[in-house]
Amino acid sequence: DGGITQSPKYLFRKEGQNVTLSCEQNLNHDAMYWYRQDPGQGLRLIYYSQIVNDFQKGDIAEGYSVSREKKESFPLTVTSAQKNPTAFYLCASSVHQGSGELFFGEGSRLTVL
Amino acid sequence: AQTVTQSQPEMSVQEAETVTLSCTYDTSESDYYLFWYKQPPSRQMILVIRQEAYKQQNATENRFSVNFQKAAKSFSLKISDSQLGDAAMYFCASNSGGSNYKLTFGKGTLLTVNP
Repeated sequence: DGGITQSPKYLFRKEGQNVTLSCEQNLNHDAMYWYRQDPGQGLRLIYYSQIVNDFQKGDIAEGYSVSREKKESFPLTVTSAQKNPTAFYLCASSVHQGSGELFFGEGSRLTVL
Repeated sequence: AQTVTQSQPEMSVQEAETVTLSCTYDTSESDYYLFWYKQPPSRQMILVIRQEAYKQQNATENRFSVNFQKAAKSFSLKISDSQLGDAAMYFCASNSGGSNYKLTFGKGTLLTVNP
């Protein structure tokens, strides 16, 4: 079955540590996205990539980094520079034509202890 | 920059009745798409319905329909014959079409369905 796989589902981190969230898709989609979800805030775009080896900052990129070395993979690193990293993180992908409908993974919950 | 506003943080409806969720947006683009996504307690985002801005006809998917008012930049979602499984957070979203498909989301409306 085609889809988007995020791992881990739950992650705990101590302050000052970097963590990497994995996102893999087998939908052959060109574009991939990372969103952050906080209660009452909706979804806010962190980074997106429209093609391999290229990515752009979204609205809240500070304290985060990404890479896009393969079409299927778009990992997100939450660095120690991110002031408030506890949140729910959603990865998504889309084809680069048509409506641009996003397909989402099941999300990763990061908690900083 | 695009903005999407959902003015109802929470809504409730009786099972089998109809409810309408509101959404307004602001964009300078002429070509764009609008979406309603559902996020149940499992937190998996699911597309409910989409609307192309250039189409005047309102989109419909079974019990879900939209009222798209382009001049007013309004995009409301109507759920008919509400079911317990419709209980979820609903997000309105828009993109700018063209070569940039990143979605801008509203803050969501939490829908409760009462038996």
